[in-house]
Amino acid sequence: EAGVAQSPRYKIIEKRQSVAFWCNPISGHATLYWYQQILGQGPKLLIQFQNNGVVDDSQLPKDRFSAERLKGVDSTLKIQPAKLEDSAVYLCASSPGGHPFTGELFFGEGSRLTVL
Amino acid sequence: QKEVEQNSGPLSVPEGAIASLNCTYSDRGSQSFFWYRQYSGKSPELIMFIYSNGDKEDGRFTAQLNKASQYVSLLIRDSQPSDSATYLCAVRNAGNMLTFGGGTRLMVKP
Repeated sequence: EAGVAQSPRYKIIEKRQSVAFWCNPISGHATLYWYQQILGQGPKLLIQFQNNGVVDDSQLPKDRFSAERLKGVDSTLKIQPAKLEDSAVYLCASSPGGHPFTGELFFGEGSRLTVL
Repeated sequence: QKEVEQNSGPLSVPEGAIASLNCTYSDRGSQSFFWYRQYSGKSPELIMFIYSNGDKEDGRFTAQLNKASQYVSLLIRDSQPSDSATYLCAVRNAGNMLTFGGGTRLMVKP
């Protein structure tokens, strides 16, 4: 079974530039998550989708971050304009959804963003 | 914002010893609790979960939950150098959202 795919793996940009990350979840997984992990910290949930609807985006800085999940499969996360504090690893994860929920999120390898 | 707190460490234990990792959470409505392991430069992977008060054992790992004290812990018996990693506590709230703690870095010395 193919895992969660993310791209690009690494991205270096200047502040105020824009960047987009792509995620393809495990086939059939209804729930998709974007987490931001700053070095030395735990993952912070940015947005959670159930199929193509948003379950929670309360911690997404909506003035600069946007995310979409078209057709309930792939997802993109965009940052525009980027700030220095956005330097982090952006982790995409998916889970089957439904009940019971085992809590097992399947993570991609992450996209490491450096903002200069 | 519901919080999950962990001591960042590092926690250093000798090979073969028991490593004890602790986590507290603020939301009394939390329903289930998870331990993830994250090797340096890698993504988190689930070790085990616990729903009910008490202990749950899986091989060398034991998760302990005390909902009254809002406390969950992970014990690793016979610690090995390969257990050296950051251990993330995660808590499930409404909507199947997982909130992660900051993680505890464990170092097992040969």
